[in-house]
Amino acid sequence: KNEVEQSPQNLTAQEGEFITINCSYSVGISALHWLQQHPGGGIVSLFMLSSGKKKHGRLIATINIQEKHSSLHITASHPRDSAVYICAVLGGSQGNLIFGKGTKLSVKP
Amino acid sequence: AAGVIQSPRHLIKEKRETATLKCYPIPRHDTVYWYQQGPGQDPQFLISFYEKMQSDKGSIPDRFSAQQFSDYHSELNMSSLELGDSALYFCASSTGVPGYGYTFGSGTRLTVV
Repeated sequence: KNEVEQSPQNLTAQEGEFITINCSYSVGISALHWLQQHPGGGIVSLFMLSSGKKKHGRLIATINIQEKHSSLHITASHPRDSAVYICAVLGGSQGNLIFGKGTKLSVKP
Repeated sequence: AAGVIQSPRHLIKEKRETATLKCYPIPRHDTVYWYQQGPGQDPQFLISFYEKMQSDKGSIPDRFSAQQFSDYHSELNMSSLELGDSALYFCASSTGVPGYGYTFGSGTRLTVV
């Protein structure tokens, strides 16, 4: 079993839809990252969370430390949101991330 | 704002050749992490450095070595390249508080032919 599980693996939405991507982890963590990876590979860090909720534009990320679960929400989705969204957790004391398999999001116009 | 700079962006090498990948962290970031992402796979942690010393080691092959220099840039040296080494190699940097200010470079895409 992977230490970081994401769902769904693939997601197709219509422009304007509300999108939720889920992440569950089985290890103790100090923080969780939501990352965005576009075709071509570059990774952008969207959020780093250790508790509660963060919002940036149309993106909202929440984390429940007790339940070891985090969600990434995209409101009013747009085709430019199409990318792979990766949940990665920061475990231990050394700072390296443990990555989920990613969720491939495709938003159709 | 300055970001994490990786060079080169693309690299094509033949089997058994060597390759050197470079990573320049954000100013005042003293920790560098290297990750390898094979085609269709999630990134795997290779190695990290803090204050020029190796701080953690992941699934880095013995054919690979890395170091962090006095200006905090890091180099990943890969020898006896194999076809399976073809991947996207990411570098990330952060502050001394492990993982904080985590910023990724754009990656070096290595193709071994």
